[in-house]
Amino acid sequence: AQSVTQLGSHVSVSEGALVLLRCNYSSSVPPYLFWYVQYPNQGLQLLLKYTSAATLVKGINGFEAEFKKSETSFHLTKPSAHMSDAAEYFCAVSDRGNKLTFGTGTQLKVEL
Amino acid sequence: EAEVAQSPRYKITEKSQAVAFWCDPISGHATLYWYRQILGQGPELLVQFQDESVVDDSQLPKDRFSAERLKGVDSTLKIQPAELGDSAMYLCASSLQGQGSVEQFFGPGTRLTVL
Repeated sequence: AQSVTQLGSHVSVSEGALVLLRCNYSSSVPPYLFWYVQYPNQGLQLLLKYTSAATLVKGINGFEAEFKKSETSFHLTKPSAHMSDAAEYFCAVSDRGNKLTFGTGTQLKVEL
Repeated sequence: EAEVAQSPRYKITEKSQAVAFWCDPISGHATLYWYRQILGQGPELLVQFQDESVVDDSQLPKDRFSAERLKGVDSTLKIQPAELGDSAMYLCASSLQGQGSVEQFFGPGTRLTVL
């Protein structure tokens, strides 16, 4: 069985500050890991994915995430937050069979 | 840019009524997914199709939910009868094929409110 834990259901940062959204996973096989972003009343958009290549993955909109097997983590970061980054972020894990298991999400608020 | 289409975007119904949602995946995508997202939670897979065949419907409440993808293209998800607890966002996604590393593309969703 696979699962995802996102620490912090709400995160608030100042514009220009570092964004750090935490994700820990559990998987019985080497996982594929994903970060999705969801704006209000919209579907999910893929930010980045880890598929067993480089452990540091760069995505869209300046986001990146690092796969750390020893810590079973896949935290999402962005050096400088922008107002347009305010949204809900979901971490997801997939086993080799393509079933995605999502975390409960982290709502990011960006303040002036 | 190709997108996953869903309709309606919003649906309000009374409990015990029947509702249906439609999804048109990105052209050429063989795999289609229906997810349910309850407010404040992550999406949960209801059913996965590979072409017209169901691959996984283990989380689909089969006493009231049904899904079909008759020609392996668009799909319909039906609830009959709707219950208050069915209020949620219903998301459709598609991918080229059903492999773990392959990106799933999501539609805008249908927000269902059951009164």
